[in-house]
Amino acid sequence: NAGVTQTPKFQVLKTGQSMTLQCAQDMNHNSMYWYRQDPGMGLRLIYYSASEGTTDKGEVPNGYNVSRLNKREFSLRLESAAPSQTSVYFCARGGSQGNEQFFGPGTRLTVL
Amino acid sequence: AQKITQTQPGMFVQEKEAVTLDCTYDTSDPSYGLFWYKQPSSGEMIFLIYQGSYDQQNATEGRYSLNFQKARKSANLVISASQLGDSAMYFCAMREWGRSGSNYKLTFGKGTLLTVNP
Repeated sequence: NAGVTQTPKFQVLKTGQSMTLQCAQDMNHNSMYWYRQDPGMGLRLIYYSASEGTTDKGEVPNGYNVSRLNKREFSLRLESAAPSQTSVYFCARGGSQGNEQFFGPGTRLTVL
Repeated sequence: AQKITQTQPGMFVQEKEAVTLDCTYDTSDPSYGLFWYKQPSSGEMIFLIYQGSYDQQNATEGRYSLNFQKARKSANLVISASQLGDSAMYFCAMREWGRSGSNYKLTFGKGTLLTVNP
């Protein structure tokens, strides 16, 4: 158990719709991350938050916004969904050793 | 150039045998970490093992060990005594320290699908 929960597990959107993916950790760790995984590929970092109240862009931030309102929660928002955002989204938290990252169960998003 | 290369799209192994999954990496940072994750068909990402660039010993975690060859820039995962439950996708990943703004990112390879046969 990585101590990371994500909601929803599945979502289907139409192009142009907006939604927020929720992520929460129960391990009180400073750093949290959002990744996306596309077929046949590893994960790519969208945004990360080194600590409460701070966020930074990762490798593929276009089309997304994030919010880290408290230490526990880190949300990912799609303002105007596009078919290219069809993917599996993983939230992760940092580890106590300072190096590893632990992942939530993922959200499978389809944009039609 | 790819930072993490996993050259084996798929691997097969007999139950109870050992298997090595290959991973090579590319970095100019002297300080970095290498990770292996397991992704079963259920989809979650499970952390398996970590090796730091300055670690003298190869990392081990139960049946998992990391064969770290720094000069060759390789970090192969060895699974001993394979079990049916080891069937999954395995990802190698790297985290680099030393360049401002990028040191939080894990860079992943494309993965190797391991199938354990009974």
